[in-house]
Amino acid sequence: DSGVTQTPKHLITATGQRVTLRCSPRSGDLSVYWYQQSLDQGLQFLIQYYNGEERAKGNILERFSAQQFPDLHSELNLSSLELGDSALYFCASSPAGGTGGNEQFFGPGTRLTVL
Amino acid sequence: GEDVEQSLFLSVREGDSSVINCTYTDSSSTYLYWYKQEPGAGLQLLTYIFSNMDMKQDQRLTVLLNKKDKHLSLRIADTQTGDSAIYFCAEPRPGNTGKLIFGQGTTLQVKP
Repeated sequence: DSGVTQTPKHLITATGQRVTLRCSPRSGDLSVYWYQQSLDQGLQFLIQYYNGEERAKGNILERFSAQQFPDLHSELNLSSLELGDSALYFCASSPAGGTGGNEQFFGPGTRLTVL
Repeated sequence: GEDVEQSLFLSVREGDSSVINCTYTDSSSTYLYWYKQEPGAGLQLLTYIFSNMDMKQDQRLTVLLNKKDKHLSLRIADTQTGDSAIYFCAEPRPGNTGKLIFGQGTTLQVKP
């Protein structure tokens, strides 16, 4: 158990819908990261928040947005869902914002299926 | 290139050594990471190596770093069936962020 929790574990929805994925980081970690894992794209970095502020952005679509709240939990919002958005979405957390030996701890993931 | 490259599949017999290779992109990367993903689970950090090291050993794991060729390898000694998983190498992107770029992952199959 990494200490990172994600809800829900599974999500099945229809095209055009909007969903929210939730992540609670390990106690004391200030950074939260979101990744998308799919068979064709592999593991892709989406976005990082550090202490409530956006720190880095990756291949995140405009239909997707995220935020980190004052209690440091984070939500990833996916809207106008398409079939290709079906994937495993991971959240990770780390104590700091940089990469110097800054181990990222991964949650168990949310499996999103868009029908 | 822009991508971190790994071979996709490796099959070994139980008790043999496994070597998983990775080519990364940025010669200035300070840390390089190996993560393990077991079926149905998230990624778990196995080990990492600082760029001023050529080798790091941790029990059955040995990491070798060749900075000139931007080549990283993970050797697992006495491979067990419980080592069957997907192994990802990852490198950070420049800048003071935690952004990691992952390889495609190598699926390790251990046969009894």
